[in-house]
Amino acid sequence: DAGITQSPRHKVTETGTPVTLRCHQTENHRYMYWYRQDPGHGLRLIHYSYGVKDTDKGEVSDGYSVSRSKTEDFLLTLESATSSQTSVYFCAISEIEGPTNEKLFFGSGTQLSVL
Amino acid sequence: DQQVKQNSPSLSVQEGRISILNCDYTNSMFDYFLWYKKYPAEGPTFLISISSIKDKNEDGRFTVFLNKSAKHLSLHIVPSQPGDSAVYFCAASHIQGAQKLVFGQGTRLTINP
Repeated sequence: DAGITQSPRHKVTETGTPVTLRCHQTENHRYMYWYRQDPGHGLRLIHYSYGVKDTDKGEVSDGYSVSRSKTEDFLLTLESATSSQTSVYFCAISEIEGPTNEKLFFGSGTQLSVL
Repeated sequence: DQQVKQNSPSLSVQEGRISILNCDYTNSMFDYFLWYKKYPAEGPTFLISISSIKDKNEDGRFTVFLNKSAKHLSLHIVPSQPGDSAVYFCAASHIQGAQKLVFGQGTRLTINP
């Protein structure tokens, strides 16, 4: 299994509070991604990173920010959590970008509940 | 607007029979397609892929078929086994446009003994 650790695995928080989810990899892969999984929507890309301090928005980036200060860590922050951000969040890594996206490896996910 | 659609939220199949999971897409620029499999409390794992230059790709019990004119792909599992019970996600991308993967909603497959 790819060395991807997401923390925390579960979190319950209140509306309006800041939340940070962490993704840590031991594979030294260049590309890292944050997805959310919701019923009826599948997996949707929030943000991704193509290197240290290089990040870009995905299709559902509103309300989220990311940071990558080291190759191995990719942080997802909800500045002020809302109930619509209740979801399962997956981090993914890949060695290369482009046609061989089968190299996308996912973490085990973080279940976030915003009350 | 959902560019990749899996219209069957769930599918139940008898063990040993064929499972057929379907996926439709609307973006004609998509030229690479993948299937991922997901067990509860785990992240998705890559299963099989196909390029638009092919219409079939086979890997053991798993075969993916691509019908470009219909913008449709399907995953066949033969024979189905209890361990195949999982959620299956179809995904698509556009190689030249370096488009990130777009996933379908997923289909929950249950294999009954």
